[in-house]
Amino acid sequence: DGGITQSPKYLFRKEGQNVTLSCEQNLNHDAMYWYRQDPGQGLRLIYYSQIVNDFQKGDIAEGYSVSREKKESFPLTVTSAQKNPTAFYLCASSVTPRETQYFGPGTRLLVL
Amino acid sequence: QKEVEQNSGPLSVPEGAIASLNCTYSDRVSQSFFWYRQYSGKSPELIMSIYSNGDKEDGRFTAQLNKASQYVSLLIRDSQPSDSATYLCAVNNAGGTSYGKLTFGQGTILTVHP
Repeated sequence: DGGITQSPKYLFRKEGQNVTLSCEQNLNHDAMYWYRQDPGQGLRLIYYSQIVNDFQKGDIAEGYSVSREKKESFPLTVTSAQKNPTAFYLCASSVTPRETQYFGPGTRLLVL
Repeated sequence: QKEVEQNSGPLSVPEGAIASLNCTYSDRVSQSFFWYRQYSGKSPELIMSIYSNGDKEDGRFTAQLNKASQYVSLLIRDSQPSDSATYLCAVNNAGGTSYGKLTFGQGTILTVHP
C-alpha cells in the first residue's frame, strides 16, 4: 500500500531533550512538509522540502530542524530550544509543491 | 486580518440537511484551494480541491470558488452523522513568494444530529 507513515504515534519528551519524529512516504512525491497543530487551531507550517537535499523554513521553524537526505524520508527534530513543544505533528507530501498535499497519521508529542 | 478565515462554529445541522461552510482568503495570487475533513484525534483527509472559478461537485460535496470575492465554500448535501468533524479550508499560494505553501484556516466544527 502506498502512503505516508509517521512514528511514533505518541512521544514523550523530557526537559532539555532533543527528540526526532519520523516521516516516510512511498508515493514517490518530491515535496514533503511538517505542520504543527495545537488544540482547536489550524495547521502551521514548520518546514518544507521541495526536493532532496533542500528544505525551507516555514512560519514557525524556531526550535526545530529537519533533513532531507532521501526522497522518501523527512525527519523532524524538536530541539530543547522549542519551549512549548506539546502539539500534534503532521507530515504531508505532494507530487509537486503545486499539487494536493496528503497527510500521515500524525505524532502526538507530550512533555514530561 | 487572518490570511485564511473560516466561518466561526460550531455549526450544527439536522441529518439530511445542507451544511454550508465558508472561507475567505486575503492573498489575491492564491491559485489552488482545498477542503480537508479532520475527525477528532486524526489527521486531515482531502475532501475537495478546486482551482478555477465556479462549482465543482463530487457526490454529496460541492465546492464553490469566487476569486474576485476571494471566497471559497463547501456545501454538504444530505448531511449524515458521519460528516460530523472539523473542516479545514486551505489555500495554496503557488506562484507567489511562498511557492507551494498551504495556509490553513482555523477550522469549522460541524455536528450533524440525527
